[in-house]
Amino acid sequence: GESVGLHLPTLSVQEGDNSIINCAYSNSASDYFIWYKQESGKGPQFIIDIRSNMDKRQGQRVTVLLNKTVKHLSLQIAATQPGDSAVYFCAERGSGGSNYKLTFGKGTLLTVNP
Amino acid sequence: EAGVVQSPRYKIIEKKQPVAFWCNPISGHNTLYWYLQNLGQGPELLIRYENEEAVDDSQLPKDRFSAERLKGVDSTLKIQPAELGDSAVYLCASSLGRATGELFFGEGSRLTVL
Repeated sequence: GESVGLHLPTLSVQEGDNSIINCAYSNSASDYFIWYKQESGKGPQFIIDIRSNMDKRQGQRVTVLLNKTVKHLSLQIAATQPGDSAVYFCAERGSGGSNYKLTFGKGTLLTVNP
Repeated sequence: EAGVVQSPRYKIIEKKQPVAFWCNPISGHNTLYWYLQNLGQGPELLIRYENEEAVDDSQLPKDRFSAERLKGVDSTLKIQPAELGDSAVYLCASSLGRATGELFFGEGSRLTVL
């Protein structure tokens, strides 16, 4: 039978295409957002972060876009490669005081077809 | 430089038995985290240490879970007694400080409770 929690949003792309992974965050007071990549059997790996005073940040082959109006975050991966196949998590952090706690979303499974 | 080291990688026990997980963070990282990750879900924070002080343990089920970080380096997470619902991956992470969102995760300890 099926197990609760296995129904990750999935994205399947062809090698070389661009990928866009979306995330809706919940806390309008969050001021810092991070994307993590988790390969099977490994711990999450930091990809890129963005602060709430920015709406776009670019890294190597990755771009993060932040739309605070609709509380939406996206990760764009250019020229997707088989090694990009993984689960991608967005994480948010509340602002102010001593709250440095990261809250992770559910994740999106990216599959890259050769 | 070595990453975050966790042991054991896998542990199978019967319910009501105790279990302990060990974590060695990256050298110089004074912030250490224990996260719980259920299948298909994002990591959930159990406890965060600043050096040897537990500064956020609000999500730790204190009736059966305990953690320590003696001398502000290695850390141990213990469950006693384990329940069926504790089956999950226990992730340790470290960072240079509490303000960064760049956490370095270990590969995790997968616990199966029978």
